[in-house]
Amino acid sequence: ETGVTQTPRHLVMGMTNKKSLKCEQHLGHNAMYWYKQSAKKPLELMFVYNFKEQTENNSVPSRFSPECPNSSHLFLHLHTLQPEDSALYLCASSQRGGSYEQYFGPGTRLTVT
Amino acid sequence: GQQVMQIPQYQHVQEGEDFTTYCNSSTTLSNIQWYKQRPGGHPVFLIQLVKSGEVKKQKRLTFQFGEAKKNSSLHITATQTTDVGTYFCAREGSGGSNYKLTFGKGTLLTVNP
Repeated sequence: ETGVTQTPRHLVMGMTNKKSLKCEQHLGHNAMYWYKQSAKKPLELMFVYNFKEQTENNSVPSRFSPECPNSSHLFLHLHTLQPEDSALYLCASSQRGGSYEQYFGPGTRLTVT
Repeated sequence: GQQVMQIPQYQHVQEGEDFTTYCNSSTTLSNIQWYKQRPGGHPVFLIQLVKSGEVKKQKRLTFQFGEAKKNSSLHITATQTTDVGTYFCAREGSGGSNYKLTFGKGTLLTVNP
């Protein structure tokens, strides 16, 4: 499946680094999502963009900063992360926000050292 | 209020045995979605149920939506090793949060060949 792509697939970063995760969807969808998946909290919603407008910030620490320049692209900017931020970060898209099926990307496995 | 509870959390079966996972809500659901995530993979949409009492089948998978639209189940007949993975149900947020999905914690199915 290549409808939703994410780069990089794996990322190791130190706590003082700044990095960005990229997501791109080729499905013509209007909603995009960032999820964090860890052993303790499977599929934790972080941010939602619906028609490029951020409609959800699920109490995410400010060291995570999303950006949605257009309906096809979504970024997650990372800075001064903590080891507990190590997780799989999944991007998803859907036709629009709501009960439309979501298509997930392969995820970025992030390790914070 | 907007959570969905999934049981069991884990299920280990012998190949050929049946498997059922349940998804329960304290409030009425407008619809329910099911996803499957293979080990090392990303969630993949399986189905959406909308109508009270609805039953849908996909080969060996049977999905049901309760009459009161507060619970749903996924039943797999004669499991195979390819069924291994985590099965998530997801509900649409209610009220002003209807632009997003809330996922259950999932049921991890392992199959012994």
